[in-house]
Amino acid sequence: DVKVTQSSRYLVKRTGEKVFLECVQDMDHENMFWYRQDPGLGLRLIYFSYDVKMKEKGDIPEGYSVSREKKERFSLILESASTNQTSMYLCASSGSGIASYNEQFFGPGTRLTVL
Amino acid sequence: QKEVEQNSGPLSVPEGAIASLNCTYSDRVSQSFFWYRQYSGKSPELIMSIYSNGDKEDGRFTAQLNKASQYVSLLIRDSQPSDSATYLCAVNFLPGSARQLTFGSGTQLTVLP
Repeated sequence: DVKVTQSSRYLVKRTGEKVFLECVQDMDHENMFWYRQDPGLGLRLIYFSYDVKMKEKGDIPEGYSVSREKKERFSLILESASTNQTSMYLCASSGSGIASYNEQFFGPGTRLTVL
Repeated sequence: QKEVEQNSGPLSVPEGAIASLNCTYSDRVSQSFFWYRQYSGKSPELIMSIYSNGDKEDGRFTAQLNKASQYVSLLIRDSQPSDSATYLCAVNFLPGSARQLTFGSGTQLTVLP
């Protein structure tokens, strides 16, 4: 089974702090994604990566950056956390090639609260 | 118009009934279609994938795809209270990044004991 893990289930930070959210997958997937999910707004893509050191902006990249130094690990960075970044953050991964059909598998999520 | 649309519900069905969840998507080339189940406070879990027109069955779940009409549906037979969750429809559109999925906002299903 695909396993995607995230570094924290719950996180509380203060405005202005630098926040790191880490995601690790064990299926040798090429593609990794960061979403945020808010009530009434659904899942929104922040960034994704299709290879080591590669990244592409999603729909809402402002205020975030990412890092992918190793294939299995994808980090989301909030350079200066703000209260409007309070949300559930979800990491996902998918394989490439015709067999995968781009199925994405999600980690358990990190509920971040910025005070 | 959103690219992937779902009726937000809530949809309530009695235990043992068939729950029918629908999803329509925009007129773009699309490759693959997915249904995810999300319990409150948890992350989405992939339950069905479908790639070609017709029906695909997996246990109590049946996914139906009609590309001409641009809809995909999920039927849950013999619904159980444990099926109560939000169901997300996702579509892989082409062209653009072949790796991305576009998600609907979800349909909340409640199965009444």
